[in-house]
Amino acid sequence: DAGVIQSPRHEVTEMGQEVTLRCKPISGHNSLFWYRQTMMRGLELLIYFNNNVPIDDSGMPEDRFSAKMPNASFSTLKIQPSEPRDSAVYFCASSFRGLAGTLASTDTQYFGPGTRLTVL
Amino acid sequence: RKEVEQDPGPFNVPEGATVAFNCTYSNSASQSFFWYRQDCRKEPKLLMSVYSSGNEDGRFTAQLNRASQYISLLIRDSKLSDSATYLCVVNRLGSARQLTFGSGTQLTVLP
Repeated sequence: DAGVIQSPRHEVTEMGQEVTLRCKPISGHNSLFWYRQTMMRGLELLIYFNNNVPIDDSGMPEDRFSAKMPNASFSTLKIQPSEPRDSAVYFCASSFRGLAGTLASTDTQYFGPGTRLTVL
Repeated sequence: RKEVEQDPGPFNVPEGATVAFNCTYSNSASQSFFWYRQDCRKEPKLLMSVYSSGNEDGRFTAQLNRASQYISLLIRDSKLSDSATYLCVVNRLGSARQLTFGSGTQLTVLP
């Protein structure tokens, strides 16, 4: 089975440009997460969708960041305009969230390979 | 105080050694606990879940102490391939079911 797919794998852009990162979760998973990882701050949750609906976007750093999930098999994270401090590795992860009371093992998140973003 | 705290290391150990990592978490409502492994320039991958009674998977043993809000990972007979960063991960039930990652402990197993 294919894992979580992210594109592009690497992105180099100039400050002020729009950046769109893409993610295809594992088929059958109903939760999707966007993370950002930097040396200074580690792995931070940006936003979390369940059944394509954004549940918690409190980690989104500012209005320049937006995320969408138009259907169960696709999500985007957009940065507009991009700034050098946005340089990081952006991971998408998916999981299957079971009904309340089901085993916590259903919360296991599977990560994509990440997009390494450099904003010059 | 960070929600999940780990000793960043690095831990440099010889092949065959036993090494232990510790982690503390601040939210007493936390319900699920995991160890993830992240290789250099790769994505995090689940190593093992941590259960209240403690659990073992081959050379790896994970333990949880809810009273002290403390999680540990023990690696016996370490291999070169165990070199990676080990992330302590905690989640909590609620409307925002999310994972909180520790900053990771870096392990290098030396030949």
